[in-house]
Amino acid sequence: EIVMTQSPATLSVSPGERATLSCRASQSVSTNLAWYQQKPGQAPRILIYGASTRATGIPARFSGSGSGTEFTLTISSLQSEDFAVYYCQQYNNWPPWTFGQGTKVEIK
Amino acid sequence: EVQLVESGGGLVQPGGSLRLSCAASGLTFSSYNMNWLRQAPGKGLEWVSFISSSGSAIYYADSVKGRFTISRDNAKNSLFLQMNSLRAEDTAVYYCARGSPTTWHFDYWGQGTLVTVSS
Repeated sequence: EIVMTQSPATLSVSPGERATLSCRASQSVSTNLAWYQQKPGQAPRILIYGASTRATGIPARFSGSGSGTEFTLTISSLQSEDFAVYYCQQYNNWPPWTFGQGTKVEIK
Repeated sequence: EVQLVESGGGLVQPGGSLRLSCAASGLTFSSYNMNWLRQAPGKGLEWVSFISSSGSAIYYADSVKGRFTISRDNAKNSLFLQMNSLRAEDTAVYYCARGSPTTWHFDYWGQGTLVTVSS
């Protein structure tokens, strides 16, 4: 099973600033990695797949990068609606599909 | 618009059973792989089970293998999860999610249904 590790657990950022979230895989997942956003009381929403492809309707301020075992989600200028929990997920080796433990982006 | 609506959650005693349903609309349901995932209170996301579009391929997480059964009715655009021998650690919000047709991530999610296992 591939273990996904996200850092930091919590990121405190001011509106308008850049946020950088990291995700590491225990073995290579190529670019078979997705990022999801989850707000309180809501289901997760797909942001990025293929490590860097934005899903339909996702603003350009969200970008993903990386391959192999190291990945980054960058939010270029945080808006109020971006404060949420973000999860990475690998789909290179399955089953099981595995998620990181999440990074909470909170208002500084 | 793709919509996935789960139902069937509730309070059940340890050792009991529950059947979750997911009604799909806005998509050709029979063309898509489907999944169940869950999220324990205050915790992260966990994939639970997968079923291929035709139902010919099925996978389970080790944590539920032998206790949960996934199935689908393509004629009724519905996905199911039969949960038996429930444990306290099965307490979670259960989501149904569509498998992307191009890669293997989850591109549409339902709003979830809460299952609470407690005496």
